[in-house]
Amino acid sequence: EVQLVESGGGLVQPGRSLKLSCLASGFTFSNYGMNWIRQAPGKGLEWVASISSSSSYIYYADTVKGRFTISRDNAKNTLYLQMTSLRSEDTALYYCASLMDWGQGVMVTVSS
Amino acid sequence: DVLMTQTPVSLPVSLGGQVSISCRSSQSLVHSDGNTYLHWYLQKPGQSPQLLIYRVSNRFSGVPDRFSGSGSGTDFTLKISRVEPEDLGVYYCLQSTHFPWTFGGGTKLELK
Repeated sequence: EVQLVESGGGLVQPGRSLKLSCLASGFTFSNYGMNWIRQAPGKGLEWVASISSSSSYIYYADTVKGRFTISRDNAKNTLYLQMTSLRSEDTALYYCASLMDWGQGVMVTVSS
Repeated sequence: DVLMTQTPVSLPVSLGGQVSISCRSSQSLVHSDGNTYLHWYLQKPGQSPQLLIYRVSNRFSGVPDRFSGSGSGTDFTLKISRVEPEDLGVYYCLQSTHFPWTFGGGTKLELK
């Protein structure tokens, strides 16, 4: 069974940093591109970032470019999202997804 | 960026009925590799999105044949026949042909 389990969310003040993790199991993680997608409370889905299977290709939404960094450790079956200079508009449920499969999401709340 | 216009926003349905959801893109979704990366997801209340249809018309594993996808270029449709209670929720289209990936605004399927 495929499982994607996010962690690392929480309440953080504007301007601070947070690092999300996503532990994958049930499939060959190193074979798949991975993504972070977020959903603000009561809103639709917004793609945040993608990373190819070997980390050769990385893409970001303009809204997070320069502030967020996606990375992965294939030996640990883990995807990461380092978030810096957080803003109130970054408040959302952050999903780790392979597009076929999604985690349950981790909540990030940016507020003073 | 590719704008994904999804209609209708709300779709009342009777159980057993048939509905269609439209997703139109602001530019062609045909990739240089010849594939069209247009996908459909359902997000049930309180749950993560789940993949229904990938690359326009391919049903994902376990998705009933009541769901069908069609279209080409910039115009795509998801049809649901014999609607069942577990089909209720918000449907999203996603294009992953061009970066940044973009989602439609969502269509809420609800009972009349």
